[in-house]
Amino acid sequence: EAGVVQSPRYKIIEKKQPVAFWCNPISGHNTLYWYRQNLGQGPELLIRYENEEAVDDSQLPKDRFSAERLKGVDSTLKIQPAELGDSAVYLCASSLGGAVYQETQYFGPGTRLLVL
Amino acid sequence: RKEVEQDPGPFNVPEGATVAFNCTYSNSASQSFFWYRQDCRKEPKLLMSVYSSGNEDGRFTAQLNRASQYISLLIRDSKLSDSATYLCVVNQVMRSNYQLIWGAGTKLIIKP
Repeated sequence: EAGVVQSPRYKIIEKKQPVAFWCNPISGHNTLYWYRQNLGQGPELLIRYENEEAVDDSQLPKDRFSAERLKGVDSTLKIQPAELGDSAVYLCASSLGGAVYQETQYFGPGTRLLVL
Repeated sequence: RKEVEQDPGPFNVPEGATVAFNCTYSNSASQSFFWYRQDCRKEPKLLMSVYSSGNEDGRFTAQLNRASQYISLLIRDSKLSDSATYLCVVNQVMRSNYQLIWGAGTKLIIKP
């Protein structure tokens, strides 16, 4: 069974440029998460989707970050414009979306973003 | 105080030894708890869910102490391959929704 797929794996851009990350969750998984992880830190949740609905975007910096999950499958996370502090690993995860309190999350390999 | 706290380590442990570390959480309404393992430059992977009665999976034992608000992870007969960062995750219910809060991780280094 295919795992969570993310692309690109690496991205280097100059500040003020836009950037987009793509995620394809495990087939049948209704819940999709976007995280940001800085070096030496745990993942920080940016947004969580239940099917097409964003049910938790409280930590998403909405002035520059946007996300969408059309048709409740693939998702795209965008940053525009990027800032130096956005350099991090962006992780996508998915889970079945059944039992709310005992959800195992499966992560993709992440996208390493470097903003120069 | 952070919502979920972990000792960052690193814990340097000889191969074959037993090592344990804790993760404290601040919200008493937290409902479920997990340990994830993350290898260097890799994605996190679920190690264990933590149940109220505690649970064991081979050399790994996870326990929950609700009174003191912490979870623990014990690794017996440690292997070189256990070297990784161990992240705890706390799932807390807020109104009709829930939030997943991650600790910053504890780095474990097993030495031959």
